[in-house]
Amino acid sequence: RKEVEQDPGPFNVPEGATVAFNCTYSNSASQSFFWYRQDCRKEPKLLMSVYSSGNEDGRFTAQLNRASQYISLLIRDSKLSDSATYLCVAQKEWDMRFGAGTRLTVKP
Amino acid sequence: NAGVTQTPKFQVLKTGQSMTLQCAQDMNHNSMYWYRQDPGMGLRLIYYSASEGTTDKGEVPNGYNVSRLNKREFSLRLESAAPSQTSVYFCASSEPPTDTQYFGPGTRLTVL
Repeated sequence: RKEVEQDPGPFNVPEGATVAFNCTYSNSASQSFFWYRQDCRKEPKLLMSVYSSGNEDGRFTAQLNRASQYISLLIRDSKLSDSATYLCVAQKEWDMRFGAGTRLTVKP
Repeated sequence: NAGVTQTPKFQVLKTGQSMTLQCAQDMNHNSMYWYRQDPGMGLRLIYYSASEGTTDKGEVPNGYNVSRLNKREFSLRLESAAPSQTSVYFCASSEPPTDTQYFGPGTRLTVL
């Protein structure tokens, strides 16, 4: 069983839709959490960090529930440019564990 | 700034051949990483280096060796390539080790 589990999708949504991704992690000692974005055949890039208090960056909202070991990402008002794979990450010290990713396609 | 650079971008090897993947960063980061990415598996850490001269095994180190030549460069060597090592390899760096990781563009390796 992978340490970080994500629904692989694909999620196909129309422009303007709201879409939510979920992720669970198994190592309760994980300290930091992130969402990375990866475009097709490109390197991953940090989208946002995830905090217990929840954090928002424009149309993106991330939440962490340590008790349930659950991380979420909400994208509001989806744009065509949001089409990508979203990687959930749990980190303990230098050891980052990535989920396999959730693929999102936003259609006109 | 180039960020993290990797060479080569593509490589095809025959089983048993050896090769070295090169990685360099110009962000003055101490921490550097090598990952492999396979379909359905996500990125998995091969090796980590906290600083020049130090390396630690990650989740999937078997079949690989690394060298942290200096602060900028971190190379990954396959001594005897196997088809199971067909993958996309990413190098990354960060400072401090708990901070955002910056990835290179990747090396697509096929072992026949």
